[in-house]
Amino acid sequence: AQTVTQSQPEMSVQEAETVTLSCTYDTSESDYYLFWYKQPPSRQMILVIRQEAYKQQNATENLFSVNFQKAAKSFSLKISDSQLGDAAMYFCAFEYSGGGADGLTFGKGTHLIIQP
Amino acid sequence: DARVTQTPRDKVTEMGQEVTMRCQPILGHNTVFWYRQTMMQGLELLAYFRNRAPLDDSGMPKDRFSAEMPDATLATLKIQPSEPRDSAVYFCASGPASGRTQYFGPGTRLLVL
Repeated sequence: AQTVTQSQPEMSVQEAETVTLSCTYDTSESDYYLFWYKQPPSRQMILVIRQEAYKQQNATENLFSVNFQKAAKSFSLKISDSQLGDAAMYFCAFEYSGGGADGLTFGKGTHLIIQP
Repeated sequence: DARVTQTPRDKVTEMGQEVTMRCQPILGHNTVFWYRQTMMQGLELLAYFRNRAPLDDSGMPKDRFSAEMPDATLATLKIQPSEPRDSAVYFCASGPASGRTQYFGPGTRLLVL
């Protein structure tokens, strides 16, 4: 079974600054997907970014980027030029890619606060 | 703009009552997931279906929970009888046959008194 750990329960950053959210995972599998989801107070789960483990290139999506270190089993999310609308809970998630989709394993989340 | 829908958005009930939550996946998606979110446990996978067939429900309490897909446009999660510890937000998510992205519904917030 895999586990996902987010060691930062809460992070605070000034508007327009850059912030990095940490995520580590433990798995014996070599083929998998990693995700970051955002959950604002509306409670809607919104996909931020996705990374396939077989790809060495780090995924980017607008002002979001990841630092994927497969050997270290680390998958951090960098938010550049943070905006008030980025304030939310952020969840790191893992999914094994063997066969069909079989469900996400989530970390406990990081509460991101943006200071105006 | 295709999206997963869930009903009801909020539900308050008394202990012992039956609760039914419904989910309409995105048209064309063949995989449907049910997750539960609580403060203590975080987000947990309860069950999932592919092409309407249940693949895994090991995350569900078997004695009181049941999940079904009567047709491709409807997934249901039932709790009978409900207990206060079932209070949580229940999310449905769907995904296409190819690719791995899951699209979440808005969730059903359940409070069992």
